[in-house]
Amino acid sequence: DAGVTQSPTHLIKTRGQQVTLRCSPKSGHDTVSWYQQALGQGPQFIFQYYEEEERQRGNFPDRFSGHQYPNYSSELNVNALLLGDSALYLCASTPRRASPLHFGNGTRLTVT
Amino acid sequence: GNSVTQMEGPVTLSEEAFLTINCTYTATGYPSLFWYVQYPGEGLQLLLKATKADDKGSNKGFEATYRKETTSFHLEKGSVQVSDSAVYFCALMTTDSWGKLQFGAGTQVVVTP
Repeated sequence: DAGVTQSPTHLIKTRGQQVTLRCSPKSGHDTVSWYQQALGQGPQFIFQYYEEEERQRGNFPDRFSGHQYPNYSSELNVNALLLGDSALYLCASTPRRASPLHFGNGTRLTVT
Repeated sequence: GNSVTQMEGPVTLSEEAFLTINCTYTATGYPSLFWYVQYPGEGLQLLLKATKADDKGSNKGFEATYRKETTSFHLEKGSVQVSDSAVYFCALMTTDSWGKLQFGAGTQVVVTP
C-alpha cells in the first residue's frame, strides 16, 4: 500500500518563475493538506483540500494556489517565485475528519 | 493565536541515556497534541498523540502525557539508541481547525555510540 507520494523530489527555479508540485494521497484518503517547511523550522500550514475545494487556508499570499482532482490527488502552484519560497513542501493526507495526518517525503524547492 | 514552544536543540546524548524534550502550548479550547519525527531526507512520521487531558501517548519506547494544568506535552524515552537521532516536532490541532497542525520549531536529537 503506497503512502503519500510527491513529485518531483527536487526542483530548482529562478526568481519570478512559476512552479507546480504534485501529491498523491495514501489509498483511502480524500483530504490533502500542504505545508511549507523552511530550513531549520517547523512546517507551516498552507491550505487544505477536500471535495475538490479549498477548505482552510493559512497565512500565505494568493501567489500560493492549489487544486484537487476527482481522484483526490492535488497540486500546489506558486507564482512569481521569491527567494524566500525556497523550502521543503510537504503534502499530508487523511480520511475526512480523522487523524492522524500521513506525510509524504516532500519536494525540495530551491529558488535562485 | 495558537502556538507551540519546544526546547531548542541540538540535544546530544550518549546511547542508553534518558531523553526529555520539553513542549508547551497555547491554544483555545482543548487541542489534540502530537509528536512527529523527521529523519534526514524524509517527511514527518507520527510518533504519538493524545487527544484529551491526562492521556498518555506512547510508541517505540517514547511517551508523552497531556498536562492541561501546565499546558505541556513533554516527550520522554528511557534509553535512546543511535537510530533515534532525528528532529522531533511537537504539534497541536484544535477542533475548530481540523486538519491544520500548528508545529513547534523542532528539536534536533543526536545520539552518539
